[in-house]
Amino acid sequence: GQNIDQPTEMTATEGAIVQINCTYQTSGFNGLFWYQQHAGEAPTFLSYNVLDGLEEKGRFSSFLSRSKGYSYLLLKELQMKDSASYLCAVVDSNYQLIWGAGTKLIIKP
Amino acid sequence: GAVVSQHPSWVICKSGTSVKIECRSLDFQATTMFWYRQFPKQSLMLMATSNEGSKATYEQGVEKDKFLINHASLTLSTLTVTSAHPEDSSFYICSARDREPGEQYFGPGTRLTVT
Repeated sequence: GQNIDQPTEMTATEGAIVQINCTYQTSGFNGLFWYQQHAGEAPTFLSYNVLDGLEEKGRFSSFLSRSKGYSYLLLKELQMKDSASYLCAVVDSNYQLIWGAGTKLIIKP
Repeated sequence: GAVVSQHPSWVICKSGTSVKIECRSLDFQATTMFWYRQFPKQSLMLMATSNEGSKATYEQGVEKDKFLINHASLTLSTLTVTSAHPEDSSFYICSARDREPGEQYFGPGTRLTVT
């Protein structure tokens, strides 16, 4: 079966760095998305990786290793507004998006 | 950037009535639209995938006669919750994609409460 694993919840301190991991086992791979979702709102796009390596976009970076079935989202200089759920999603061979359960990130002052 | 709208943002209805939710891609043509449901503190659950002009593909366990999906044009899809019951109360979110693979652009969601 297809499976996406990510931690349920993480806590970090304002101004610090946090890494949210995602491992996947899917039938085929056509890319991996990270989305941010604040409580009561729809998800918003953060990043898309289809090749191995690190993609940096401001305070957020996303890494992919296809051979290991692994990705992480790195958030730097954490701000209180970064408190949200972070969803990892993989595009499988049928171009269907397989969603992880999301990681709830709690930022403390 | 690509914008997807949903209407209404929230709706309260009585048990047994039907509710229609609209999803529109405002500045692009959506080859595929998706309907999700999300219960509090849970992840997104894909309900169905629809392509313009064809029947929607429903996920296992989703009743197609209860959740009617119409994708009449490249910019509009509708979800009708028929004979709604309190257990149908949830956050319904649509998303749209203009190519494969491609980013899914999400609508703002519709909060449905059935009393």
